[in-house]
Amino acid sequence: GAVVSQHPSWVICKSGTSVKIECRSLDFQATTMFWYRQFPKQSLMLMATSNEGSKATYEQGVEKDKFLINHASLTLSTLTVTSAHPEDSSFYICSAPPSGSWAEQYFGPGTRLTVT
Amino acid sequence: GNSVTQMEGPVTLSEEAFLTINCTYTATGYPSLFWYVQYPGEGLQLLLKATKADDKGSNKGFEATYRKETTSFHLEKGSVQVSDSAVYFCALPGSSNTGKLIFGQGTTLQVKP
Repeated sequence: GAVVSQHPSWVICKSGTSVKIECRSLDFQATTMFWYRQFPKQSLMLMATSNEGSKATYEQGVEKDKFLINHASLTLSTLTVTSAHPEDSSFYICSAPPSGSWAEQYFGPGTRLTVT
Repeated sequence: GNSVTQMEGPVTLSEEAFLTINCTYTATGYPSLFWYVQYPGEGLQLLLKATKADDKGSNKGFEATYRKETTSFHLEKGSVQVSDSAVYFCALPGSSNTGKLIFGQGTTLQVKP
């Protein structure tokens, strides 16, 4: 089946610094990718839709200047958490539907961010 | 808009017990329905899906039937194993054709030997 990878799998950073998380579709092209945030023992919250070659679409309440998304190619989207604070600590997961199909999505393994 | 509701957990079962996790949905039309599983510390994996009413999705001994009469998509397994311990999410596409998925709140399953 299709594979989506994320890097890094976990990261610890200091408050005030920025962290970049990569999401790659390894064996298919994805014009759209989705970024989710998951708090412990809770469901996934959609943060934004990453669109190749254009601006990301953010969900209500998500700060676009804090969570910068870039979708530079058909296989790579990046999420940069800028000026991170401890409350940004969370599990970030990306997903991608194969091009031309919304019926199914493939999820990355997630990135655990801890801000100290 | 589309929405999904799952039974609250956690669900604790002994090995070889029968499992049911309830999921009901509200949707415009008849969208595809999904069950995803999340093992500890990992991302989500698609467990099974059904693309139209009355379809039955199945995988790894798990089954779910798309029932439009009761707007349900309950997950079942006849005999659970310790390795099935995970969080299970019911999901369906958002109202607009944007690829967004709407997830239920997740149900934690713990299987004891």
